[in-house]
Amino acid sequence: DSGVTQTPKHLITATGQRVTLRCSPRSGDLSVYWYQQSLDQGLQFLIQYYNGEERAKGNILERFSAQQFPDLHSELNLSSLELGDSALYFCASSVEISGANVLTFGAGSRLTVL
Amino acid sequence: AQSVAQPEDQVNVAEGNPLTVKCTYSVSGNPYLFWYVQYPNRGLQFLLKYITGDNLVKGSYGFEAEFNKSQTSFHLKKPSALVSDSALYFCAVRDTPMAGGFKTIFGAGTRLFVKA
Repeated sequence: DSGVTQTPKHLITATGQRVTLRCSPRSGDLSVYWYQQSLDQGLQFLIQYYNGEERAKGNILERFSAQQFPDLHSELNLSSLELGDSALYFCASSVEISGANVLTFGAGSRLTVL
Repeated sequence: AQSVAQPEDQVNVAEGNPLTVKCTYSVSGNPYLFWYVQYPNRGLQFLLKYITGDNLVKGSYGFEAEFNKSQTSFHLKKPSALVSDSALYFCAVRDTPMAGGFKTIFGAGTRLFVKA
């Protein structure tokens, strides 16, 4: 157990729907990162939060949004889902935002869009 | 932007033999380089990192990596492979900072198969 908790583990939904993925970072970690892992795109950085504030953004679609709450947990919202959104979504956390920090990953949320 | 490349999709090695998983990088400035491993149905786990200092970095599970500035490489190595080392390995680099944040960029991954 890495200490980063992601729910749900699996999610099956239909095109056009909206889902929310949740992440609780490791105790003491202030920074949360979201990544998407798909077979054809590899591991793609989506967004980073530090202590409630957005700090770095990757190739995150406009249909996707995220936030980090005062208790430091984070949610990734995916809307108007398309078949191509099917992927593993990972949350990771680190103590600070220094680039030297190691990322601790959760087990991921597998999203299947039918 | 910084980037890493893993030229091999797959590496096959016999148990007990040395293994190398290759990674090359492209960065401006000093590189912050990492190796992570992903076992089936699991998240990525940190193996080791190079920030500065000795070119040979030792990490978890007997792995080590050699930083080579002239060849812009950061290959992962292990003297004697185990079947349990079979997994997906990712090389990663810290990207240029933006707005007070950093993102870690991952390579495409190399699948390691260790045969008994």
